[in-house]
Amino acid sequence: NAGVTQTPKFRILKIGQSMTLQCAQDMNHNYMYWYRQDPGMGLKLIYYSVGAGITDKGEVPNGYNVSRSTTEDFPLRLELAAPSQTSVYFCASSYGLAGHTDTQYFGPGTRLTVL
Amino acid sequence: DQQVKQNSPSLSVQEGRISILNCDYTNSMFDYFLWYKKYPAEGPTFLISISSIKDKNEDGRFTVFLNKSAKHLSLHIVPSQPGDSAVYFCAASEAQGGSEKLVFGKGTKLTVNP
Repeated sequence: NAGVTQTPKFRILKIGQSMTLQCAQDMNHNYMYWYRQDPGMGLKLIYYSVGAGITDKGEVPNGYNVSRSTTEDFPLRLELAAPSQTSVYFCASSYGLAGHTDTQYFGPGTRLTVL
Repeated sequence: DQQVKQNSPSLSVQEGRISILNCDYTNSMFDYFLWYKKYPAEGPTFLISISSIKDKNEDGRFTVFLNKSAKHLSLHIVPSQPGDSAVYFCAASEAQGGSEKLVFGKGTKLTVNP
């Protein structure tokens, strides 16, 4: 199993450009998550999904969009990139147990710089 | 408003000694707590967790203690090894509330010196 994979590893964007961060998992997990980590800060939840076709906002959703058309993939879309979106982005997945918190498995991250 | 606080940005210990990493939380609805370990240029990896119905959970060299009345938990690593050098994140969740969301602290960078 590859686990959780993310592409690209690094990206530099100009202000106003858009891009999609890719995330895939091969563990047949139901739940998937996107986090961002700013320097010296903890991870903050952007969006999450409890299954294909179902997504919901996390703590910091502004400026981002997601979709979940398959169990395996959970892309994160940045429209009109801004310097405040410079961060490291982590995708995670978990099996998903109703009423319980189970272990989230993280990808290696995408380091995004907006200039 | 930080709901999960790790007040020590860094900790340095000698190999073989005990490392104690601390975490405080403010939300009394949190009932599940986790520690994640993160190496540079990698994603966080799960280390150990504890439910609010317990006050201690042990896994090899790692033990997590939970003091609900003080809203405090700690991670003990004994004995510490140089390979333990990493950033450790405390995270919390309202599991019984059906929430899948983890709230993370800012992390503590542990350095274990040979």
